[in-house]
Amino acid sequence: QSALTQPASVSGSPGQSITISCTGTSSDVGGYNSVSWYQQHPGKAPKLMIYDVSNRPSGVSNRFSGSKSGNTASLTISGLQAEDEADYYCSSFTSSSTYLFGTGTKVTVL
Amino acid sequence: QVQLQESGPGLVKPSQTLSLTCTVSGGSISSGGYYWSWIRQHPGKGLEWIGYIYYSGSTYYNPSLKSRVTISVDTSKNQFSLKLSSVTAADTAVYYCARSFNWFDPWGQGTLVTVSS
Repeated sequence: QSALTQPASVSGSPGQSITISCTGTSSDVGGYNSVSWYQQHPGKAPKLMIYDVSNRPSGVSNRFSGSKSGNTASLTISGLQAEDEADYYCSSFTSSSTYLFGTGTKVTVL
Repeated sequence: QVQLQESGPGLVKPSQTLSLTCTVSGGSISSGGYYWSWIRQHPGKGLEWIGYIYYSGSTYYNPSLKSRVTISVDTSKNQFSLKLSSVTAADTAVYYCARSFNWFDPWGQGTLVTVSS
């Protein structure tokens, strides 16, 4: 099992929108609507931001949105804020009934 | 709300077995509907799913760790546990437990396990 592919880093200015991609295969991202996204600040546990491709848990800002096309899922953060600076990971269920995480993306707010 | 807390030794010697327990509060493992996962994060690296267990005892493991991993559940104590055998320095990581369905939430705070003599 290889990790899902994410860009190592993405940056943007406050107020801008950024998009993080998460590329897998038809056996994971492309085959299931079970993609989730996590935000992790330094020294903290990851926090669920998006589940089932595009759903937001209660309490998560509507500035975070998710989508999927083929084998690639995406997380978009609109109206970028300083507090959004963190590492972001995607995850997907797989055809082997296992889970894969993405390689992780460091978001920097300029 | 459901909370999870990892516990166990922070230092394990090479070739020994790493043992961690996750205690669940605010909800019952045996109520079903969720799987209970272990995830680790090597220092400065990304997340790696280790495996999960259902309250019935059925398990799924990461193929890369399968030969060394055992996850078990104790519904009477509302706990589930991780055992990783024959550890090396490469198993040094922060270990998290999490409730899972098609996603992972909530997570425990994580516990750092260092493999060193």
